[in-house]
Amino acid sequence: DVKVTQSSRYLVKRTGEKVFLECVQDMDHENMFWYRQDPGLGLRLIYFSYDVKMKEKGDIPEGYSVSREKKERFSLILESASTNQTSMYLCASSQAGGDQPQHFGDGTRLSIL
Amino acid sequence: AQKVTQAQTEISVVEKEDVTLDCVYETRDTTYYLFWYKQPPSGELVFLIRRNSFDEQNEISGRYSWNFQKSTSSFNFTITASQVVDSAVYFCALSLISNFGNEKLTFGTGTRLTIIP
Repeated sequence: DVKVTQSSRYLVKRTGEKVFLECVQDMDHENMFWYRQDPGLGLRLIYFSYDVKMKEKGDIPEGYSVSREKKERFSLILESASTNQTSMYLCASSQAGGDQPQHFGDGTRLSIL
Repeated sequence: AQKVTQAQTEISVVEKEDVTLDCVYETRDTTYYLFWYKQPPSGELVFLIRRNSFDEQNEISGRYSWNFQKSTSSFNFTITASQVVDSAVYFCALSLISNFGNEKLTFGTGTRLTIIP
């Protein structure tokens, strides 16, 4: 079974802090994704990566950056956290190819105070 | 731009009733994929089904069935004889091929389904 592991289930940080959310997958997938999930808005794509050191902006990249130094790991970075970044963050991975389903982690519920 | 609409925000049915979750999509592309995911209370999204734009055959898997109609741009999901374990948020999603040939999903806002014992 594919396993996508997010480093924290719950995280509380303060406004202005630099925040790192880590995601690791164990199936050698080419693609990795970061989403945020908010009530009434569904899942919105922040960034995705289709190869090591490659990244592409999603629909809401402002205020975020990403890093993919190794194939199995995809990090989401909040450079200076703000209260409107309080949300559930979901990481996903998939094989290359437009028909491949994405496999999701359990999510990180991030609160910015 | 592509869009997925799940007009039903919340649905509650009594156990053993049938229930249909609606999904309507918009895209100008002729090649695309449609997905349904389930998000139980534990939080992890679970893949249920994938359908490509050239295959309009309906699919049945146990108590689950899917009706794909290109003419109405709909991909509806029916649960027959619902059970309490079906309680979850269900997401419909549309996949287009990005510039680099890789999948990029657009999700609907989800339908929260509650099965009442």
